[in-house]
Amino acid sequence: DGGITQSPKYLFRKEGQNVTLSCEQNLNHDAMYWYRQDPGQGLRLIYYSQIVNDFQKGDIAEGYSVSREKKESFPLTVTSAQKNPTAFYLCASSPPGTLSRGYTFGSGTRLTVV
Amino acid sequence: RKEVEQDPGPFNVPEGATVAFNCTYSNSASQSFFWYRQDCRKEPKLLMSVYSSGNEDGRFTAQLNRASQYISLLIRDSKLSDSATYLCVVTIQGAQKLVFGQGTRLTINP
Repeated sequence: DGGITQSPKYLFRKEGQNVTLSCEQNLNHDAMYWYRQDPGQGLRLIYYSQIVNDFQKGDIAEGYSVSREKKESFPLTVTSAQKNPTAFYLCASSPPGTLSRGYTFGSGTRLTVV
Repeated sequence: RKEVEQDPGPFNVPEGATVAFNCTYSNSASQSFFWYRQDCRKEPKLLMSVYSSGNEDGRFTAQLNRASQYISLLIRDSKLSDSATYLCVVTIQGAQKLVFGQGTRLTINP
């Protein structure tokens, strides 16, 4: 079955470390997105990509980086510059050329700074 | 002003009750509208799209008022399994992304 796979499910980061969250999809979707969710704040857009080798900053891109070398993969790196990285991270994708059917989400990665 | 605003709740209602959620959006160029459901510590899942003429899916009814920039979701004969957070979501012409409200938390009590 097609879907989006995020890994790991839980991730612990020490202060000053970079960590990379994986997102892979086999839906043949062109567009992929990364959101961050904090309690009571809804989803906030970090980065998105419409095609391979191209991506745009979202509303809260500072302290994060992404790459889109393959259509299926859109990894997110949380750098040491991100001062408050503890959150629930959600990856999503959408079909080519339209958002009329919304997103498909992965199951998320819960990142905790220790 | 937030692009999408919802009453965060929480709403606590007895099983079998009818409950309504409201949502307003600020951008008149918004094109597509959705309600997503999110269970605790899980990813959001599409509940239903919202069409201009209004639409129904079983116990769920969604309405859109473009003039007032207002979306609603009605749940009839609520079940314990309806307990979740309900997210109002819109797309904006040319923006190529979804914009999410903060969600309304619903608890159905036995």
